[in-house]
Amino acid sequence: GAVVSQHPSRVICKSGTSVKIECRSLDFQATTMFWYRQFPKQSLMLMATSNEGSKATYEQGVEKDKFLINHASLTLSTLTVASAHPEDSSFYICSARGLAGGPWNEQFFGPGTRLTVL
Amino acid sequence: DAKTTQPTSMDCAEGRAANLPCNHSTISGNEYVYWYRQIHSQGPQYIIHGLKNNETNEMASLIITEDRKSSTLILPHATLRDTAVYYCIVRVLASGTYKYIFGTGTRLKVLA
Repeated sequence: GAVVSQHPSRVICKSGTSVKIECRSLDFQATTMFWYRQFPKQSLMLMATSNEGSKATYEQGVEKDKFLINHASLTLSTLTVASAHPEDSSFYICSARGLAGGPWNEQFFGPGTRLTVL
Repeated sequence: DAKTTQPTSMDCAEGRAANLPCNHSTISGNEYVYWYRQIHSQGPQYIIHGLKNNETNEMASLIITEDRKSSTLILPHATLRDTAVYYCIVRVLASGTYKYIFGTGTRLKVLA
């Protein structure tokens, strides 16, 4: 149980295009989803937290107009990188957490999406 | 702000116990310690978590000092498949949501 998927696993795009990444909880309802970014040989940095049906909360230094997050259902959150540039190239990882106090209280991570902007 | 510090890398012989330390001297009384590991280019995998008592599951043991300022993750019989980056994480409550603050991680290499 507690499987989280991401799509696509890898994307290469030209500078200036927008890229959408999907994160799905496959076998549980995720009240909260998180988006992280990881640069090579570095740790995961939290970008934003989203709760189903409400606006995402962004960490300091993360541009909300560039990284658009939608959490429309209890099993799906999307991250759109608007007008991507080469410096946005990174490994984007989502995680999902179930109902507070329930058996899925910890975060379960997706496999990640590698974005390369040319 | 980093809440944990970990050694950058460690080696361990296959079949031996791997002991991975973590310092979290600024941890608050109600903040949990979590451990995850990440195998190259994959998402992190949950290992174990604890508050103040020692914990054990089928993957590992977690030893937390009495003052809660440090902890050690123990893999009792390391195998080659345990080669990964191990993250010590403090779960904090911020803006009404529990969030993970990742440490820099320890790159564990299990040697044949």
